Amino acid sequence: DADVTQTPRNRITKTGKRIMLECSQTKGHDRMYWYRQDPGLGLRLIYYSFDVKDINKGEISDGYSVSRQAQAKFSLSLESAIPNQTALYFCATSDAGQKHQETQYFGPGTRLLVL
Amino acid sequence: GQQLNQSPQSMFIQEGEDVSMNCTSSSIFNTWLWYKQDPGEGPVLLIALYKAGELTSNGRLTAQFGITRKDSFLNISASIPSDVGIYFCAGGSGGSNYKLTFGKGTLLTVNP
Repeated sequence: DADVTQTPRNRITKTGKRIMLECSQTKGHDRMYWYRQDPGLGLRLIYYSFDVKDINKGEISDGYSVSRQAQAKFSLSLESAIPNQTALYFCATSDAGQKHQETQYFGPGTRLLVL
Repeated sequence: GQQLNQSPQSMFIQEGEDVSMNCTSSSIFNTWLWYKQDPGEGPVLLIALYKAGELTSNGRLTAQFGITRKDSFLNISASIPSDVGIYFCAGGSGGSNYKLTFGKGTLLTVNP
């Protein structure tokens, strides 16, 4: 089984709809991250969480919110989806207990299309 | 903020050829990571480098952490069709700074 899973893998929605992307991990890592990937722009950080009660904005958090329901679960919500939020979304984890705590491990991604 | 320049942006090679790609930065990093992304999938960690000058291999892949801590390269020897994908570098500042700075990727195409 994959260590980091994301659901759904693909989603089509309409402008104005609220949607949630979910991420679960079995790696036992305390840190979790949400990124979006756009062609030519690379990976950009949306939000990150160092533990269940810790939520931090990344470089492009506007229009998004997150919830860390448990150490193993981190969900990303688009409150009112807009077409320029069409992108690939990735969840990642890292372990603060490791010597090299910045090493991140990625999920398989969610492809989101906003019409 | 920190930026990584990854080159080349894309490469078209014949099966069996060796490949080299690199990342450079104006900032110092304490960690260099190399990932591969297959179409429709997430980035998979290939090699992690944690010490300046370190040279690490993973099968046909070899990566080095530049001695100035501002660059890293990845070599792939004897390429095969399944090497096709996007290769990303990422730099980490270490310590309490969680952040990774990513390159924009090198798209590798291998012609059989």
